[in-house]
Amino acid sequence: DTAVSQTPKYLVTQMGNDKSIKCEQNLGHDTMYWYKQDSKKFLKIMFSYNNKELIINETVPNRFSPKSPDKAHLNLHINSLELGDSAVYFCASSQAPVSTDTQYFGPGTRLTVL
Amino acid sequence: AQSVTQLDSQVPVFEEAPVELRCNYSSSVSVYLFWYVQYPNQGLQLLLKYLSGSTLVESINGFEAEFNKSQTSFHLRKPSVHISDTAEYFCAVSERPSSYKLIFGSGTRLLVRP
Repeated sequence: DTAVSQTPKYLVTQMGNDKSIKCEQNLGHDTMYWYKQDSKKFLKIMFSYNNKELIINETVPNRFSPKSPDKAHLNLHINSLELGDSAVYFCASSQAPVSTDTQYFGPGTRLTVL
Repeated sequence: AQSVTQLDSQVPVFEEAPVELRCNYSSSVSVYLFWYVQYPNQGLQLLLKYLSGSTLVESINGFEAEFNKSQTSFHLRKPSVHISDTAEYFCAVSERPSSYKLIFGSGTRLLVRP
């Protein structure tokens, strides 16, 4: 059973399009995260939700909108895609919203914007 | 603000040789330290972490890391590597006493050759 799953695994799209990435965790965790990994492999946090409430919102363009319909899901919607949005996006979860709790990562979604 | 530097983007070693993956951090406050590993086509997994107590921490698969406050380092070592250790290794830091955020380095690819 996959603990943290993401769909799709690969996403290729044109500039200006709107796309969504879905994330689900079956670990019963309260906290979920979205990270972006750029071409230099730096992994940077974008958002975090705890019990469906936003607790971290880094300086991310407002074209990115996370949505958490319930504790087990955190989706990422991106409007008006730009070339610079091309990256690997990782979803993660932890029991509590503290860094000392182990974070469990999904396999990533590779987004390519043409 | 914290930052993490992993100077080696790739470390090739032969099987059964020892290896050290370097990690240095910068922070104006005390920190927690982590190593995460990403096997091919998988999400990141926690390998080990330093929260408090002994500065030498170990993982279940033979890796160890030592927190050196004076050198602001948290290097990862293994005395004898296996082919299966081939993966990307990420060092991360977070602020004490509690923080929501992990700050990751750019990763080091460990390539174990037969």
